[in-house]
Amino acid sequence: EAQVTQNPRYLITVTGKKLTVTCSQNMNHEYMSWYRQDPGLGLRQIYYSMNVEVTDKGDVPEGYKVSRKEKRNFPLILESPSPNQTSLYFCASSSWTSIPDTQYFGPGTRLTVL
Amino acid sequence: AQSVTQLGSHVSVSEGALVLLRCNYSSSVPPYLFWYVQYPNQGLQLLLKYTTGATLVKGINGFEAEFKKSETSFHLTKPSAHMSDAAEYFCAVNSGSARQLTFGSGTQLTVLP
Repeated sequence: EAQVTQNPRYLITVTGKKLTVTCSQNMNHEYMSWYRQDPGLGLRQIYYSMNVEVTDKGDVPEGYKVSRKEKRNFPLILESPSPNQTSLYFCASSSWTSIPDTQYFGPGTRLTVL
Repeated sequence: AQSVTQLGSHVSVSEGALVLLRCNYSSSVPPYLFWYVQYPNQGLQLLLKYTTGATLVKGINGFEAEFKKSETSFHLTKPSAHMSDAAEYFCAVNSGSARQLTFGSGTQLTVLP
């Protein structure tokens, strides 16, 4: 089954404790992206990657890091989480074609930073 | 720069009534437009998309949307609402080379029995 998986689905942590949210896709997609969803703000892009070892900032990259060492994986790293990073996070992937293709979303990770 | 405005953060309709969710966009180049749906505790799922060609686009679950360039709009409609349509709907635009999707703030659709 074609899918994007994220782990963990729920996470409660404390300020300053480094964490990683994993994202994996099995569709051989070149493009992967991280979004955060906050009430009334819709989804905002954090980082994206157009292929292995190619990443770039989205609209709200501060406080986040990413890496793309393998095509299928795109982890999101919060090195020193703060309460304002409490949010619902989505990973997405799509193929890289001449026109924007459908982005497939993971189930989401709900993060609470105390 | 690109942006999306969804009018009405909450819309309620009766079962069987017309669903109309409004989306206006801003883009400096011809846009690609999307509607996604999010059911409770799930990720986003594509409803339909406009890239080129026919301006009336049909999607899943009986939804359709019409791209109107003169009005910079991409409103989502469904002739007859079903209880299972209750969800949050997001309009999104992509007009850049980096495949960046810009989302609207979402519209929560409630279907009343």
